[in-house]
Amino acid sequence: SAVISQKPSRDICQRGTSLTIQCQVDSQVTMMFWYRQQPGQSLTLIATANQGSEATYESGFVIDKFPISRPNLTFSTLTVSNMSPEDSSIYLCSVTGEYWAEQYFGPGTRLTVT
Amino acid sequence: GQQLNQSPQSMFIQEGEDVSMNCTSSSIFNTWLWYKQEPGEGPVLLIALYKAGELTSNGRLTAQFGITRKDSFLNISASIPSDVGIYFCAGQLTSGTYKYIFGTGTRLKVLA
Repeated sequence: SAVISQKPSRDICQRGTSLTIQCQVDSQVTMMFWYRQQPGQSLTLIATANQGSEATYESGFVIDKFPISRPNLTFSTLTVSNMSPEDSSIYLCSVTGEYWAEQYFGPGTRLTVT
Repeated sequence: GQQLNQSPQSMFIQEGEDVSMNCTSSSIFNTWLWYKQEPGEGPVLLIALYKAGELTSNGRLTAQFGITRKDSFLNISASIPSDVGIYFCAGQLTSGTYKYIFGTGTRLKVLA
């Protein structure tokens, strides 16, 4: 499976600011996704990052709050905008593998908003 | 968002015991994935299931795709302390979308 890295691994931010999270894959992948995992909770899909076009957002998530870029087949960013304490979560990127039905996750970015 | 019901929510077991957990839904799924997440890390894919009734093993882990396509099961045999973690199931509702709904998780603690 692909090796996935995320930056930063963790951050503490003040409310009202924005943070951009990077996801880098060591090989070209077709599908990339961004998930949120709130403290002690399961994973919720935020959006599908589409290469060269606007991301596809899930219900409850909007582009103004979570703008996503995917300039090529190995890289994507997720920005958490105008943060509030409720945005404190782990943000994870995932990619499809050789068998497209399988998904592999990065190590996550642990965000705390104060 | 939508979630799958996973049970048990948590369990303490003795080292060497077998563990069973399941994931159920009222919806039909095309693919099931099982993950393990340890503290401070992202989920790691353990097993993928693609058709109803399929039984797949990965070492001491065995998972099954329920014949109704609404559930899946994971068994861990002869548990060891490093099995500690949170186990998530994930179901793909619609083939080709590659979008998954995740279960609520089973937190496993192994007593040596």
